[in-house]
Amino acid sequence: DVVLTQTPVAQPVTLGDQASISCRSSQSLVHSNGNTYLEWYLQKPGQSPQLLIYKVSNRFSGVPDRFIGSGSGSDFTLKISRVEPEDLGVYYCFQATHDPPTFGSGTKLEIK
Amino acid sequence: QIQLVQSGPELKKPGESVKISCKASGYTFTDYAMHWVKQAPGKGLKWMGWINTYTGKPTYADDFKGRFVFSLEASASTANLQISNLKNEDTATYFCARFHNNWGSFDYWGQGVMVTVSS
Repeated sequence: DVVLTQTPVAQPVTLGDQASISCRSSQSLVHSNGNTYLEWYLQKPGQSPQLLIYKVSNRFSGVPDRFIGSGSGSDFTLKISRVEPEDLGVYYCFQATHDPPTFGSGTKLEIK
Repeated sequence: QIQLVQSGPELKKPGESVKISCKASGYTFTDYAMHWVKQAPGKGLKWMGWINTYTGKPTYADDFKGRFVFSLEASASTANLQISNLKNEDTATYFCARFHNNWGSFDYWGQGVMVTVSS
């Protein structure tokens, strides 16, 4: 199975600052069809996960442009600029390129 | 609007069975696969498998073969997860999630069902 390694495990941040989360895959996430199915989800406390970014860099409907996904191959990053209180929670990367789909272990964004 | 509404919390004893439902609304149910995700208390997300809502064919992750069954009530736009012979380690929140095939992502999630297994 593909292993997604997220770093850091916890990211203390000052409101208004930028945060960055890394997701590295044990193998390339480029599908045979040319797409890269790497997504980012945010799970706020007590809530279901919500989709932020799909196919590396595409923001889901309603997601602010403060969230920027980037990367290629096996190395991906989620940057959150000007962190707001509603951004706090656990961020997961997820890959659907290879079977079975797998989640990263999560990064907790918390107030410094 | 698109919604996935799951059934309520369950408290079960080891060895019992439980059936969780996920009712979809706001879209054509058979156009999107339904996946299931487990989250043990304080832990991360684990993909359990999915069901083709058009054909009814289920696919299970290796760790969820045997005691877990995905099924449909397509006429009611509902997907179900049944777990038999419950064990303490089945204590978790179970989410259903709609899969957007073109994006390769879960674009809508249910609110989750907490299943507690305790003697």
